[in-house]
Amino acid sequence: AQSVTQLDSQVPVFEEAPVELRCNYSSSVSVYLFWYVQYPNQGLQLLLKYLSGSTLVKGINGFEAEFNKSQTSFHLRKPSVHISDTAEYFCAVTLHAGNNRKLIWGLGTSLAVNP
Amino acid sequence: DSGVTQTPKHLITATGQRVTLRCSPRSGDLSVYWYQQSLDQGLQFLIQYYNGEERAKGNILERFSAQQFPDLHSELNLSSLELGDSALYFCASSARVGGTQYFGPGTRLLVL
Repeated sequence: AQSVTQLDSQVPVFEEAPVELRCNYSSSVSVYLFWYVQYPNQGLQLLLKYLSGSTLVKGINGFEAEFNKSQTSFHLRKPSVHISDTAEYFCAVTLHAGNNRKLIWGLGTSLAVNP
Repeated sequence: DSGVTQTPKHLITATGQRVTLRCSPRSGDLSVYWYQQSLDQGLQFLIQYYNGEERAKGNILERFSAQQFPDLHSELNLSSLELGDSALYFCASSARVGGTQYFGPGTRLLVL
C-alpha cells in the first residue's frame, strides 16, 4: 500500500534563508505527486505537482520540488523564504492508474519563518 | 479562489444534533472529495464521489453520510454529533478520478 512520510513536523527558519521540506513515499507503481499549502485559517492550495516529464517542478511563490524515483522522494525547496511563507505544507501522492486513485496525504510540515 | 465553494463557513451546534455541509465543485469537475481536518488527527479523507456515484471511502464514520446530486453539488451530513466532531471540513473537486484536487475554503464546525 502507498504511504507518504513528511519527515519533519515543524521547520523553523529565518527570513531569507533557504528551506527544504522533505517528503518520501512508498509505492510499487508509478505515482503522481503533489504539494499543497495551507495558510493560517485558510483552505488548501495547490503549490505544485509532478505528473510526468522533467523531474524538477516549479510551483507558485518561488517553490520548486524535485522528483527522485530512486529515492522515492519529492522534497520541496525554496532558496529564500519570506514571513508570508509561514504555513502548513502537505505532500500527497496518487497512483497513475486504477479505479481507486485517491490521494494519500502526509501529516503535514509546519513552516515557521521568523524575522 | 479555487472555484470550489462551501457553505456555511462556520457552524456552531450542540451534541446530538445533525448538520448538513454543502459543496459546489469547480465548473466542469465531476469528482468531489470530503476531508476532515482536526488538530489531533490532521487531514483525513472521508469520501469521494464521481458523477453522482460513490467512488472511494476513507475514514468516514457511520454517523456521517454524503451524496452528490445531478447538478454535481455535494452534501455531507453529520448526525448524532459529538464534541470530537468539531473540525474543519473541506471539500475538493477534480475533473476526473485521480486528477488534481482543488479545495474549497472549508466549513468550521464547532460542537458544544
